Amino acid sequence: DQQVKQNSPSLSVQEGRISILNCDYTNSMFDYFLWYKKYPAEGPTFLISISSIKDKNEDGRFTVFLNKSAKHLSLHIVPSQPGDSAVYFCAASANTNAGKSTFGDGTTLTVKP
Amino acid sequence: DTGVSQDPRHKITKRGQNVTFRCDPISEHNRLYWYRQTLGQGPEFLTYFQNEAQLEKSRLLSDRFSAERPKGSFSTLEIQRTEQGDSAMYLCASSRGQGWTEAFFGQGTRLTVV
Repeated sequence: DQQVKQNSPSLSVQEGRISILNCDYTNSMFDYFLWYKKYPAEGPTFLISISSIKDKNEDGRFTVFLNKSAKHLSLHIVPSQPGDSAVYFCAASANTNAGKSTFGDGTTLTVKP
Repeated sequence: DTGVSQDPRHKITKRGQNVTFRCDPISEHNRLYWYRQTLGQGPEFLTYFQNEAQLEKSRLLSDRFSAERPKGSFSTLEIQRTEQGDSAMYLCASSRGQGWTEAFFGQGTRLTVV
């Protein structure tokens, strides 16, 4: 039973437009959520996070929204750039151990010039 | 800060052989994690250490797998009697371990069992 789901395996957007990546979770014990970005032949790199006491966190072009009642979070990238093309993983943690995360299967984002 | 380092980057082994991977975390990080990632899936948690103590092991970590972190610095992950199903990317990560801090991942060791 997958506790973190990213239902869109891939997403293609035009440069300059908004990219929206979605993630759903089932475990109510999760209280910290992270997004990682992964390029080929590299390990995942932390992008942005949000704790369950917030519903929005912003860092430059990246914003994460959390809807606890729906157990849903989303990552918005605006404007999207070709260098954003990568696999994006949603991850969820509990008990102040953000390094021990349950990951989704990822969404491959392609930003076209 | 040189990042998390893993060695080797690639390993091809015959079924039944033992393999050992090494991870050097970021020096000031006291937590170290091992994950496994197969094609098309996200990383799956295997185990983690706080300093030299192994605090948690996933059910994914069968008896053929053992991890150590002597002296709380580098860590090794050994797989005994490898099986084809062990073929995967093995990722190591480290974190400061205080409060909500993200993990920093290494580039991984890709294991192929033939």
